[in-house]
Amino acid sequence: NAGVTQTPKFRILKIGQSMTLQCAQDMNHNYMYWYRQDPGMGLKLIYYSVGAGITDKGEVPNGYNVSRSTTEDFPLRLELAAPSQTSVYFCASSGLAGGSEQFFGPGTRLTVL
Amino acid sequence: QQPVQSPQAVILREGEDAVINCSSSKALYSVHWYRQKHGEAPVFLMILLKGGEQKGHEKISASFNEKKQQSSLYLTASQLSYSGTYFCGTEITGFQKLVFGTGTRLLVSP
Repeated sequence: NAGVTQTPKFRILKIGQSMTLQCAQDMNHNYMYWYRQDPGMGLKLIYYSVGAGITDKGEVPNGYNVSRSTTEDFPLRLELAAPSQTSVYFCASSGLAGGSEQFFGPGTRLTVL
Repeated sequence: QQPVQSPQAVILREGEDAVINCSSSKALYSVHWYRQKHGEAPVFLMILLKGGEQKGHEKISASFNEKKQQSSLYLTASQLSYSGTYFCGTEITGFQKLVFGTGTRLLVSP
C-alpha cells in the first residue's frame, strides 16, 4: 500500500511555462485535495474532488486547473507559471468528507524563476 | 474564515505539558489536528466531531467546545518527538473541505 504518491518531488520552472503535478492514491478514497504551503505558513486549499468527474474550487484556485477522470488520480495543472506560485504542493485524500483523516502525499517543491 | 491558533510558538523541556488552542468565527462540524515536521508532510493526530466523538492517538487528547467554536490540543509529558508545527483544520458545517490555521511551532528540548 503506497498511500498517496506525488511526482515530481522537485521542479524549477521559468515564468510562463506550464506543468502538471501528478497525484495518485491506492486507498480507493473518493475525496482528494490539493493544497499549497508557502514558507512558514499554513495549508491553503487549491481544488478538491468528491469523486471521479467532480471537482470544485478551494480558497486559492486562480492559476490552476484540475481533472479527475479516475478514482486514483488527481493531477494539478499550472498554466503560465508565475513567481507567486513558488510553494510546496501537497496532495491529500480521505475516505469521507470531514470527520475522516486526510492522508497527505510527500509534497512537490516548486520554484518559479 | 481561517481559524486562529494560539500560541504561535512554544518552547518546552522534555516532560512538560502544553496546550494549543484553535478558534473559529464559524459554526463547525469538525476540528482536525495535524503535526508537521520540517520538510515533511502533515500527519494526522486527532479529529473532534460535533456531538463529542473523538478519533485519534492514544497519547494526545483534545477538546471541542461547540458553543464557543474552540478546540484545544493537550500534549502531556512532552517528548522530543513532539517537536514540529501543529495545525488545526476546521470543517464548517455543511461544507466538505478543511480550512487550516497558521500553525503553532512547538520545540521540545532535552
